[in-house]
Amino acid sequence: LAKTTQPISMDSYEGQEVNITCSHNNIATNDYITWYQQFPSQGPRFIIQGYKTKVTNEVASLFIPADRKSSTLSLPRVSLSDTAVYYCLVVVYNTDKLIFGTGTRLQVFP
Amino acid sequence: NAGVTQTPKFQVLKTGQSMTLQCAQDMNHEYMSWYRQDPGMGLRLIHYSVGAGITDQGEVPNGYNVSRSTTEDFPLRLLSAAPSQTSVYFCASSPLGTYNEQFFGPGTRLTVL
Repeated sequence: LAKTTQPISMDSYEGQEVNITCSHNNIATNDYITWYQQFPSQGPRFIIQGYKTKVTNEVASLFIPADRKSSTLSLPRVSLSDTAVYYCLVVVYNTDKLIFGTGTRLQVFP
Repeated sequence: NAGVTQTPKFQVLKTGQSMTLQCAQDMNHEYMSWYRQDPGMGLRLIHYSVGAGITDQGEVPNGYNVSRSTTEDFPLRLLSAAPSQTSVYFCASSPLGTYNEQFFGPGTRLTVL
């Protein structure tokens, strides 16, 4: 299984763009990259998923370079409510299992 | 839709007691799973199921049993609780098939004394 590495924590201020990078050097050809968000005392919530290049939804953008050994979650103009833990996961082809790392704890200040 | 529901929200057990954590979903999802999350850590997969009557072990299955008699329900049984099982337990569900978004329940906070 492809192991992921991401920063333990990040700080930002309201209104700034936040980029969280995740490395996954052993990703296999058919694996996907997915990101979940977790608020305190809640279960994780799906944010975005992609295979290559760029994916954008109403919440975030996901950038994946051609070699797919890393990915970057971009949160535009964060607010206090974006304070949470963000998990980068590699979804292995032909399995539904999610393997979580320790995630990145994002703290947004006023 | 209620989504994924878990009961109870909180539970305190004594060492050696047994109990069942309940998980139900009303989205007709085939895939269901149980995770535990220790303080400051990511989630670890305990058991999962790809449909009624089919279950399999995850990363940390010891001390836990599961069964799946219906599509909707996926209970997790602690056979003989130990302090090391103090954790927050999350249930999740999704349609079967790779790359599907998984929906998580609100969690059960379990303390074993």
